Amino acid sequence: GENVEQHPSTLSVQEGDSAVIKCTYSDSASNYFPWYKQELGKRPQLIIDIRSNVGEKKDQRIAVTLNKTAKHFSLHITETQPEDSAVYFCAASGHSSYKLIFGSGTRLLVRP
Amino acid sequence: EAQVTQNPRYLITVTGKKLTVTCSQNMNHEYMSWYRQDPGLGLRQIYYSMNVEVTDKGDVPEGYKVSRKEKRNFPLILESPSPNQTSLYFCASSLYRDHYNSPLHFGNGTRLTVT
Repeated sequence: GENVEQHPSTLSVQEGDSAVIKCTYSDSASNYFPWYKQELGKRPQLIIDIRSNVGEKKDQRIAVTLNKTAKHFSLHITETQPEDSAVYFCAASGHSSYKLIFGSGTRLLVRP
Repeated sequence: EAQVTQNPRYLITVTGKKLTVTCSQNMNHEYMSWYRQDPGLGLRQIYYSMNVEVTDKGDVPEGYKVSRKEKRNFPLILESPSPNQTSLYFCASSLYRDHYNSPLHFGNGTRLTVT
């Protein structure tokens, strides 16, 4: 079955710097890769996703890149702000798969 | 407002006392799922349902039961809770069973403590 590994487990950056979170997956048939943000005490919420037919997707300060050959994908946050502080989860799902497998999460702290 | 509603938000119980956590969605979603969140382990799937009367095990189903008698409801049942089931639980739903075409929406979570 699918396995998703996420690194780092914690990340501390200065406000205004960039943050990068990386995930690797094991199932080469996986074709959908969402990222969820979970603020303290709240539910995970989808912030961006990418499908296997594209290599990069951007939405304002966040972007996701996908390398299918290496089976890894990354979340990039530029010009970080204190409100970006949260736990971020990557996930992967295969075509016709009814399971979404999550990584272990990255706790991002943006220092003012 | 479109949402996934879980109840209760917090629950403290004792070992062996049966409990049910309710989950309801008002978006006519086909797919529903339960996850548990533990530090360092991320979100692990307990059970999922692709439609009414169709349920299947996720990665950590031991000690849990579910049912899907109506499209909107997907309760999680712990017949005999144990301390290792102390966790934060999330219900989630999506429009279609195939996540490629429909993102997962989460409820607000239920923090369960079993003593």
